[in-house]
Amino acid sequence: GAGVSQSPSNKVTEKGKDVELRCDPISGHTALYWYRQSLGQGLEFLIYFQGNSAPDKSGLPSDRFSAERTGGSVSTLTIQRTQQEDSAVYLCASSRKDINQPQHFGDGTRLSIL
Amino acid sequence: AQSVTQPDIHITVSEGASLELRCNYSYGATPYLFWYVQSPGQGLQLLLKYFSGDTLVQGIKGFEAEFKRSQSSFNLRKPSVHWSDAAEYFCAVGGTSGTYKYIFGTGTRLKVLA
Repeated sequence: GAGVSQSPSNKVTEKGKDVELRCDPISGHTALYWYRQSLGQGLEFLIYFQGNSAPDKSGLPSDRFSAERTGGSVSTLTIQRTQQEDSAVYLCASSRKDINQPQHFGDGTRLSIL
Repeated sequence: AQSVTQPDIHITVSEGASLELRCNYSYGATPYLFWYVQSPGQGLQLLLKYFSGDTLVQGIKGFEAEFKRSQSSFNLRKPSVHWSDAAEYFCAVGGTSGTYKYIFGTGTRLKVLA
């Protein structure tokens, strides 16, 4: 289909390792968002891209988290020196540029830190 | 600060019964409001949205929601629940204060009895 695609769907890694999560938005969607869904914490906003720039990074929990977007399309969320509290489902969403356009979500990456 | 409250963590209904999921928000002006549904292992699927106009909004899968400004509520309803409606439901506020991020409620998990 033509939905938001995320990879990998599952990732298990050891504490202290770095991980990269990928998001491929819907074609033509200029806005891209990352959220984290943790047990008992609900969904929390991490970062928002408009094109390749990130006007709102306010949700990134620490400097171990970073994200980039290239070509106004694919985005990568990187977590360095992973900790057990980073275990969660990381969801990506995209939308058209206009503020009243709904966000469309991918199926997420389930990250487990051992 | 903007916030969304879903007071019911779990709801159980019998198949064929009516359903109402509650959502209250806190915001100084009229927000953009959304309901999403999440099945296990899946991302979030948009059920319906409210931006302006008619306060009764129709969505997919037979769902509707009513925006009540005086009560700061946006409750989701369905007249007759099907077993396939069992999932987690999230209310969200978005597109407010010039930002694009959504603020999500903590979700309501719906169980449907046969």
